[in-house]
Amino acid sequence: DQQVKQNSPSLSVQEGRISILNCDYTNSMFDYFLWYKKYPAEGPTFLISISSIKDKNEDGRFTVFLNKSAKHLSLHIVPSQPGDSAVYFCAASEISTQGGSEKLVFGKGTKLTVNP
Amino acid sequence: KAGVTQTPRYLIKTRGQQVTLSCSPISGHRSVSWYQQTPGQGLQFLFEYFSETQRNKGNFPGRFSGRQFSNSRSEMNVSTLELGDSALYLCASSLVDREWYEQYFGPGTRLTVT
Repeated sequence: DQQVKQNSPSLSVQEGRISILNCDYTNSMFDYFLWYKKYPAEGPTFLISISSIKDKNEDGRFTVFLNKSAKHLSLHIVPSQPGDSAVYFCAASEISTQGGSEKLVFGKGTKLTVNP
Repeated sequence: KAGVTQTPRYLIKTRGQQVTLSCSPISGHRSVSWYQQTPGQGLQFLFEYFSETQRNKGNFPGRFSGRQFSNSRSEMNVSTLELGDSALYLCASSLVDREWYEQYFGPGTRLTVT
């Protein structure tokens, strides 16, 4: 059973426009959410995160929105640049009550292509 | 600060063999997690180590094991390799602070089982 879902395997956007990547989750115990970007032949790179006590977090061109009631989060990239072309993974974390152990559950990724 | 390093980067093994992969975390990071990435299943959590103890484990068979050393370096071992074990194995380290849970990934080890 997939607890974190990214329903769009790919997204194509024009340079300068907004990119919106979506993610849904089913486990209400998740309390921390992260977005990672991955280029081919590299490990995922941490992009931005949000705690479940917030509904928005912004870092430069990247903003993550969290809607807990809908169990939905989204990543907005404004303006989109060709260098943003990569696979974006949404991940969720449930903090264990035993010593803060963390485990990330990943979606399957959305491949973003930003066209010049 | 140096990032997470993984060795080897590429590995080809035969069915039935065993393999050991190594991960050196970012200096100061005490938690090391391992993930398997395959085209069909995406990134799946294998296990997490902190202070030489396995704190968390994913849904993988017992053929997958790991350990962490006192310097936080970690190894994972896969015994009796199967064709389905072909994947990118990623190691991630984190600082382990109750307010900060980002994990930083290495480049991965690409394992091919023939």
